[in-house]
Amino acid sequence: NAGVTQTPKFQVLKTGQSMTLQCAQDMNHNSMYWYRQDPGMGLRLIYYSASEGTTDKGEVPNGYNVSRLNKREFSLRLESAAPSQTSVYFCASSGHAWRSYNEQFFGPGTRLTVL
Amino acid sequence: KNEVEQSPQNLTAQEGEFITINCSYSVGISALHWLQQHPGGGIVSLFMLSSGKKKHGRLIATINIQEKHSSLHITASHPRDSAVYICAVLPLLNFGNEKLTFGTGTRLTIIP
Repeated sequence: NAGVTQTPKFQVLKTGQSMTLQCAQDMNHNSMYWYRQDPGMGLRLIYYSASEGTTDKGEVPNGYNVSRLNKREFSLRLESAAPSQTSVYFCASSGHAWRSYNEQFFGPGTRLTVL
Repeated sequence: KNEVEQSPQNLTAQEGEFITINCSYSVGISALHWLQQHPGGGIVSLFMLSSGKKKHGRLIATINIQEKHSSLHITASHPRDSAVYICAVLPLLNFGNEKLTFGTGTRLTIIP
């Protein structure tokens, strides 16, 4: 099992360009998440998906869109990248949303720089 | 004020020392997670607990729900324990939606 995979690992964009970060999990998890990690700050939730076809905004959703294509895949799209979106992005997944306590499994991260 | 505060922010110790990292939070929670972020950036879950104490190898995590405090202990520390340790809580208000609130992490360096 690969766990949680993310592509790409690194990306450099110019301001105004668009791109999609891909995430897939092979653990049959219901819940998936997109986080960003910035220096001096904790991980912050961008979007959350409790199940296929549902998404919910997190703490910092502005400038992003998501798509839960199926149970395995959860993509994050930047429509018009801005330098403030320079960050490391992590995808994660966890088990059944109806359970109280679920360990989250993280992907390896995508380091994005917007010039 | 952050909902989750970790201390210390940075910790350097000699190999073999007993390590304690603290996490305090200000909201009622369903569960608390301890995560480890390796120097290469990967994040792994170490513990998830809602009461008492859990042990895995040289790592021990404790939580006091009344005092809103958790500690992560490492016995017989080793250079390979060098990493950032992150505390995250699942607020009661987020029951069922798994939205965690994260601390900023404690950077641990173990010197041989």
